[in-house]
Amino acid sequence: TQLLEQSPQFLSIQEGENLTVYCNSSSVFSSLQWYRQEPGEGPVLLVTVVTGGEVKKLKRLTFQFGDARKDSSLHITAAQTGDTGLYLCAGRLTTDSWGKFQFGAGTQVVVTP
Amino acid sequence: NAGVTQTPKFRILKIGQSMTLQCTQDMNHNYMYWYRQDPGMGLKLIYYSVGAGITDKGEVPNGYNVSRSTTEDFPLRLELAAPSQTSVYFCASSSTGYTDTQYFGPGTRLTVL
Repeated sequence: TQLLEQSPQFLSIQEGENLTVYCNSSSVFSSLQWYRQEPGEGPVLLVTVVTGGEVKKLKRLTFQFGDARKDSSLHITAAQTGDTGLYLCAGRLTTDSWGKFQFGAGTQVVVTP
Repeated sequence: NAGVTQTPKFRILKIGQSMTLQCTQDMNHNYMYWYRQDPGMGLKLIYYSVGAGITDKGEVPNGYNVSRSTTEDFPLRLELAAPSQTSVYFCASSSTGYTDTQYFGPGTRLTVL
């Protein structure tokens, strides 16, 4: 079982629509990151959140860290075809002294014209 | 800057063969990581290093070995390849700090037949 559960696993929407991707756990994280990965490439960091309840915006993307630091969400407003990709969340457990990341399985987002 | 480079990009191995996946970073990062990515499973940490001469096991270390003799290089060794090691392998690096960005290489796609 994954420490970080991402939902949905797959999402297909049309350009202009909104979407939300979720990342949930029963564990507490000192920080949580969201990455986007395109086919044939490594993941690229989008954002890092560290404070419970924190909301960060990156153009049309809004990231939220849960109050208890156990979950996070990514909301995309007016999706564009360039938003297509695999979205991964990754968290550092508070109990991990070395600060290793635990990754979720990812949400595949497909935005069609 | 080249960032994180990995070689080879693709490789096919026969069962029982050995190989080394190369990873080099030019950002003077202390932390380096090896992950494997299987379909629908996200990224699993194989080994990581917090500096030259210091390595430790991640979540799925069996069948792999690493060394870190310099800050720049972090090779991953497969001694006796098995079909279960068919995967895409990513190397990443980050500076110190729990909010730091992990920079990923482009990946090595390995098939064991």
